[in-house]
Amino acid sequence: QQKVQQSPESLTVSEGAMASLNCTFSDGTSNNFRWYRQHSAKGLEVLVSIFSDGEKEEGRFTAHLNRANLHVSLHIREPQPSDSAVYLCAVSIGGSNAKLTFGKGTKLSVKS
Amino acid sequence: DAGVTQTPRHEVAEKGQTIILKCEPVSGHNDLFWYRQTKIQGLELLSYFRSKSLMEDGGAFKDRFKAEMLNSSFSTLKIQPTEPKDSAVYLCASSHRDNERLFFGHGTKLSVL
Repeated sequence: QQKVQQSPESLTVSEGAMASLNCTFSDGTSNNFRWYRQHSAKGLEVLVSIFSDGEKEEGRFTAHLNRANLHVSLHIREPQPSDSAVYLCAVSIGGSNAKLTFGKGTKLSVKS
Repeated sequence: DAGVTQTPRHEVAEKGQTIILKCEPVSGHNDLFWYRQTKIQGLELLSYFRSKSLMEDGGAFKDRFKAEMLNSSFSTLKIQPTEPKDSAVYLCASSHRDNERLFFGHGTKLSVL
């Protein structure tokens, strides 16, 4: 059964400094990776999806995938206080929403 | 906003009660998902419907949890009887097709006393 672990559990950064979040997965055949943000007021929204090794950028959010190392990361450039939220990593094989395994999240706080 | 709508936003129940959570998916979406979210377990899939047919019914949750899709625009999750360990946020999500973007509702926060 797929295991998805996120680190750190919580992270505090200053406004404008890069924020880096990590996610490791256990099944090396995984090929669909998503990062979600969960605001208490807005619910869950997808930030970036990545399917092959390398990086994928969506605005200030960049995902890096290294399948050999079973690792995917999210980097947030110039974080703002409005980026304070819980960030969830989700992994699947084949892209099926029904087969998504979520991590428990990293709580990010951005201080001005 | 024509996103996923969940009601109520908060629910408080006594142990042993029956509660029903409601979800309206995005119009035109064929797939609907119910998740439970806790700090310890994270997000766990409870049920998955495709075109109103139940495709997956999370094994660990079968005995007291029942999800139904009465029509393509409305789903319910019944918990009967409730137990304190059911305290969690229950999320509903929908997508047009299985591998397309998932849209989540705001969730229902359930507290069982």
